[in-house]
Amino acid sequence: GNSVTQMEGPVTLSEEAFLTINCTYTATGYPSLFWYVQYPGEGLQLLLKATKADDKGSNKGFEATYRKETTSFHLEKGSVQVSDSAVYFCALSGANFGNEKLTFGTGTRLTIIP
Amino acid sequence: DAGVTQSPTHLIKTRGQHVTLRCSPISGHKSVSWYQQVLGQGPQFIFQYYEKEERGRGNFPDRFSARQFPNYSSELNVNALLLGDSALYLCASFSLDSGSYTQYFGPGTRLTVL
Repeated sequence: GNSVTQMEGPVTLSEEAFLTINCTYTATGYPSLFWYVQYPGEGLQLLLKATKADDKGSNKGFEATYRKETTSFHLEKGSVQVSDSAVYFCALSGANFGNEKLTFGTGTRLTIIP
Repeated sequence: DAGVTQSPTHLIKTRGQHVTLRCSPISGHKSVSWYQQVLGQGPQFIFQYYEKEERGRGNFPDRFSARQFPNYSSELNVNALLLGDSALYLCASFSLDSGSYTQYFGPGTRLTVL
């Protein structure tokens, strides 16, 4: 079955530091890949997505590239801010009709110190 | 446009009771999914509905049931509540007609079972 493995947290960085959160996956076929973010006490917000190999998703300074050869979708940001403190989830879904359910990683808690 | 809405926001029940959670999808979205997020873990898929038909079910006991209404809103029902059912219940909607299977989440209902 499908699975997602995420870098374990928590991760603590200083403001303006470079961020990488690792994510690897196991899936049949060609899944779509997502990063969701969860702020304290809230639901999940879509951060970015990629639907095919070599696609780069980007949003709010965050980027992730769909690497089929390494089955990875690592999240990066060049300069983090205190407001980026949250829990980040990597997820995948099937790309075809009838296989849309999301499989999530365990989440990585990120704390940014001023 | 309004996002996915869920009600109630919080709920406290005792063991053995029954609970109904409600979800309204984004306007134009015909599919709704339900996820359970236990504290400290990633969301787990419970159900998916499309055009009032169940299209997928996760590994949850028969105490969990759901339905979708003609206006595409949905209810999740849980009978005979157990302490382990305490979690954040997330609803997501997406449109299968746009060619994208991106799911957008509501704020969740936090259920506490005492």
